[in-house]
Amino acid sequence: AQKVTQAQTEISVVEKEDVTLDCVYETRDTTYYLFWYKQPPSGELVFLIRRNSFDEQNEISGRYSWNFQKSTSSFNFTITASQVVDSAVYFCALSDSGGYQKVTFGTGTKLQVIP
Amino acid sequence: DTEVTQTPKHLVMGMTNKKSLKCEQHMGHRAMYWYKQKAKKPPELMFVYSYEKLSINESVPSRFSPECPNSSLLNLHLHALQPEDSALYLCASSHGGPRVRAGTEAFFGQGTRLTVV
Repeated sequence: AQKVTQAQTEISVVEKEDVTLDCVYETRDTTYYLFWYKQPPSGELVFLIRRNSFDEQNEISGRYSWNFQKSTSSFNFTITASQVVDSAVYFCALSDSGGYQKVTFGTGTKLQVIP
Repeated sequence: DTEVTQTPKHLVMGMTNKKSLKCEQHMGHRAMYWYKQKAKKPPELMFVYSYEKLSINESVPSRFSPECPNSSLLNLHLHALQPEDSALYLCASSHGGPRVRAGTEAFFGQGTRLTVV
């Protein structure tokens, strides 16, 4: 069975602070895929990143960076110099290598960036 | 164009009503999904369509009836719903092959906020 744990339910930071959202996953598969999605109050889930289990390179995209560590089954997400527009619920998700896209979502972390 | 469009954005319906939710994408995706999301919870998968055929039904009650008329459209027909069915219903799409390619990210619509009274 797959499981994604986002232990931080809510985080509040002051604008321009850095913030890290934690994600820990469990799977028996050797091939799997990890995702981060952002859900602003409008409701739409916005795709941020996908990482497959064979690629442990960290990635940076603007103010966003991701740290994937198989040894600790973690896929953490850092926002540098946070902005008010970053306020949203962030979901970490996992899918296996099966033929159909069955994604297991974590419970989400609500980030509030205070001006 | 990476857009999934859902209509209506808001819907209030009685328990005896019949209504439909609509979803449209023009990205050439051949996999489409319905998710249900309750407040402060993650999305839960309901149905997956691959190449207009129902591939996954996550034991959803029959009062929810999906339909995929063509590769761009996905409907969710609602009948005799219960108040506990009130939720945000999200449609998504992703690239697909003969079977949906594993690890493919999905693109989501803004959802329909459904209230059953």
